[in-house]
Amino acid sequence: EVQLVQSGAEVKKPGESLKISCQGSGYNFLNYWIGWVRQMPGKGLEWMGIIYPGDSDTYYSPSFQGQVTMSADKSISTAYLQWSSLKASDTAMYYCARPRYYYDTNGYRKIDAFDIWGQGTVVTVSS
Amino acid sequence: EIVLTQSPGTLSLSPGERATLSCRASQSVSRDYLGWYRQKPGQAPRLLIYGASSRATGIPDRFSGSGSGTQFTLTISRLEPEDFAVYYCQHYDTSTGYTFGQGTKLEIK
Repeated sequence: EVQLVQSGAEVKKPGESLKISCQGSGYNFLNYWIGWVRQMPGKGLEWMGIIYPGDSDTYYSPSFQGQVTMSADKSISTAYLQWSSLKASDTAMYYCARPRYYYDTNGYRKIDAFDIWGQGTVVTVSS
Repeated sequence: EIVLTQSPGTLSLSPGERATLSCRASQSVSRDYLGWYRQKPGQAPRLLIYGASSRATGIPDRFSGSGSGTQFTLTISRLEPEDFAVYYCQHYDTSTGYTFGQGTKLEIK
């Protein structure tokens, strides 16, 4: 079974650092992009960025560029999302998600919608 | 930057009724990259529709998607109790990444 399992809930103080994880199983982790999505309390979904674990190629949403860092450890099939200095406004649920793949008419592998999601990690930042 | 606007914000219907949810893009987008998700309370989103009209694995045929250009629709033919949730449309652009609509809450009337 293909699945993404995220690390547990975190409670931090403003200014602290944090790294949350997302471990993939049931598929070749190296060959599939992993995206991160934020959901603030009572709000909608916001795409943060995406990473390709095979070579750590990463793209950030302009809204999150410079605010977070995405990384991956191929040896343990795990992607990470980290903050160097948390703010109260980082309080949210964070999801990792894997996009589905298809082959276009030229035989190129492409991605589109997220069809596999982690269970989410709640991050609470409060003094 | 493409903006997706969903309407209505809240839709009140009864089980067994038909639901029609709309997603309007600020500019014409490829239907190949238009998706719909359902998010039940306390759960991660689940992909319902990709490519504007293709059902994802395990999604029942009461869900259907349509549209092109700037106007897309998710239709649920007969509402089941588990369908009362929040629905998001989403677009993927190869240059700018993913964008989500603000969501439509489908509630029991």
